[in-house]
Amino acid sequence: QVQLVESGGGLVKPGGSLRLSCAASGFTFSDYYMSWIRQAPGKGLEWVSYISSTSTYTYYADSVKGRFTISRDNAKNSLFLQMNTLRGEDSAVYYCGRVGASGWYTDYWGQGTLVTVSS
Amino acid sequence: QSVLTQPPSVSAAPGQKVIISCSGSNSNIVNNYVSWYQQLPGTAPRLLIYENDKRPSGIPDRFSASKSGTSATLGIIGLQTGDEADYYCGTWDTRLSAYVFGTGTKVTVL
Repeated sequence: QVQLVESGGGLVKPGGSLRLSCAASGFTFSDYYMSWIRQAPGKGLEWVSYISSTSTYTYYADSVKGRFTISRDNAKNSLFLQMNTLRGEDSAVYYCGRVGASGWYTDYWGQGTLVTVSS
Repeated sequence: QSVLTQPPSVSAAPGQKVIISCSGSNSNIVNNYVSWYQQLPGTAPRLLIYENDKRPSGIPDRFSASKSGTSATLGIIGLQTGDEADYYCGTWDTRLSAYVFGTGTKVTVL
């Protein structure tokens, strides 16, 4: 069965950096686009980034463009999100997701990892 | 501020039906597939509907969806207490070059 397990969340000061990881299993990781989606406490879902199966293409929400970098290691079935220059409004649960084979939807989600940006 | 608008909440008695709307525009819903997600309290979202009206395996046929013009709808029949959750629509927005989620709708079973 498909499993996605995020790690790397925690408390960081404004302006700081954090790197999130997502370990994937139960499917051929290198065949799928992957996504990061976040949810601030008590708020709705916000798409953050996509990466294509071979890392050729990356897409970012305007709110994180230039500060966040998505990457993947297909040999290790792992997805990453490097987050720099963090702001308070980046505080959220970050979900790793597998992008559906036929579109931009996320068909499997991890359990999420909490990032808190605060001094 | 989301480009997809949903009602904040809907409610109905057990066994009844609810319909959740998702209003967008030409740059998103009209020209792209719509998906729907269910988020039970304290859990990660899960995919309910993809490509406007398709259900992944394991999703009961009590859930259905459609799209027309700049709007999409999700319907739940035979409402159960276990359906109490937040529901989000989502689609690609061609103008923004971004995936966008709806504002979310809380379903309450009375």
